Amino acid sequence: AQSVTQLDSQVPVFEEAPVELRCNYSSSVSVYLFWYVQYPNQGLQLLLKYLSGSTLVKGINGFEAEFNKSQTSFHLRKPSVHISDTAEYFCAVCTSYGKLTFGQGTILTVHP
Amino acid sequence: EADIYQTPRYLVIGTGKKITLECSQTMGHDKMYWYQQDPGMELHLIHYSYGVNSTEKGDLSSESTVSRIRTEHFPLTLESARPSHTSQYLCASSPRLAGESYEQYFGPGTRLTVT
Repeated sequence: AQSVTQLDSQVPVFEEAPVELRCNYSSSVSVYLFWYVQYPNQGLQLLLKYLSGSTLVKGINGFEAEFNKSQTSFHLRKPSVHISDTAEYFCAVCTSYGKLTFGQGTILTVHP
Repeated sequence: EADIYQTPRYLVIGTGKKITLECSQTMGHDKMYWYQQDPGMELHLIHYSYGVNSTEKGDLSSESTVSRIRTEHFPLTLESARPSHTSQYLCASSPRLAGESYEQYFGPGTRLTVT
């Protein structure tokens, strides 16, 4: 079985400040890792994904994430956030069976 | 750009009514999924399908049913809606190719309220 833990349910931050959203996972098999963003009243949009290769993954909107196998983590970062980044962010893992398991979500609120 | 559609976007309905939530995708994806999401909570997989005439129950038990008669269409039905069914329902699809990324593309969701 696999599970995902997002360590912060809410993260408030000021505009142009850096942000890190934390994600830890557990799985007995190799996984693929994803971060999705959900804006109010919308579906989920893929930010970035880790499949293999370089552990630093760059995504859309200036986000990046680093896969750390020894710490079973996949933290999401952005060096300078904008008001428009306010949304809920979900970390997810997928095994070779193709089913996604999501974390509880982190609400990022960017204040002016 | 992913093309996956859900209708209706919002639905308010009385207890005991039968409802069908529609989901369609134009990408030719074999795999399709239904998730249930309560406010501020994670997504829970309630149904999935690996292709036509294939349907499976997900990790979260649900009283809803699904069908997959056509590749592009994956409707979800509640025979008798109850207030406990109030939630957001998200549909997703992904390609079924060896070595693919297993990325899922999501529709905009249907927010269901049962009164």
